[in-house]
Amino acid sequence: EVQLVESGGSLVQPGGSLKLSCVASGFTFSNYWMDWVRQTPGKSLEWIGEINTDGSKTNYAPSIKDRFTISRDNAKSTLYLQMSNVKSDDTAIYYCIANGFAYWGQGTLVTVSS
Amino acid sequence: DIVMTQAPLSVSVTPGESASISCRSSKSLLHSNGITYVYWYLQKPGKSPQLLIYRMSNLASGVPDRFSGSGSETDFTLKISRVEAEDVGIYYCGQLLENPLTFGSGTKLEIK
Repeated sequence: EVQLVESGGSLVQPGGSLKLSCVASGFTFSNYWMDWVRQTPGKSLEWIGEINTDGSKTNYAPSIKDRFTISRDNAKSTLYLQMSNVKSDDTAIYYCIANGFAYWGQGTLVTVSS
Repeated sequence: DIVMTQAPLSVSVTPGESASISCRSSKSLLHSNGITYVYWYLQKPGKSPQLLIYRMSNLASGVPDRFSGSGSETDFTLKISRVEAEDVGIYYCGQLLENPLTFGSGTKLEIK
């Protein structure tokens, strides 16, 4: 059974940092590009960025570029999202996604507030 | 960025009837390889989104064949035949043609 389990979401102050993780199982993690998508409360979905299979290439949405960094550890089947200089607009549920958006995690909630 | 516009905002359907949801893109989603990169997702209440349709008309694994996708280069339709209670939720279209990937604002399906 395919599973993507995100963790690391919490309450963080504006300007702070946070690192999210996503552990994959049930498929060959190293064969797939991975994405992060977020969903703000009561709103639609926003693509954050993607990473290629060996972690050598990333692409980001302009809205978060230079503040967020996507990385992966294929030996641990884990995807990461390093968030820095967070803003209140970053409050959202963060999902990791695989296999051309066929696999979604359950999401982890990040709340940015003082 | 490619803008994805969905209509209607919400739809109420009697069980057993059909429902259609529209999505329009601000740019053609037809790639030179002949594939149209529009995707459909359903987010059931309290759950993560799930893939329904990929590349405009292909049914994702495990999705009932009551769901179908069609369209042109910029206008797309998700049709749900014989709507069931389990189909309630918010339906999103999205494009995977180019970065940044973008999504529609969603269509809420309710049961009468």
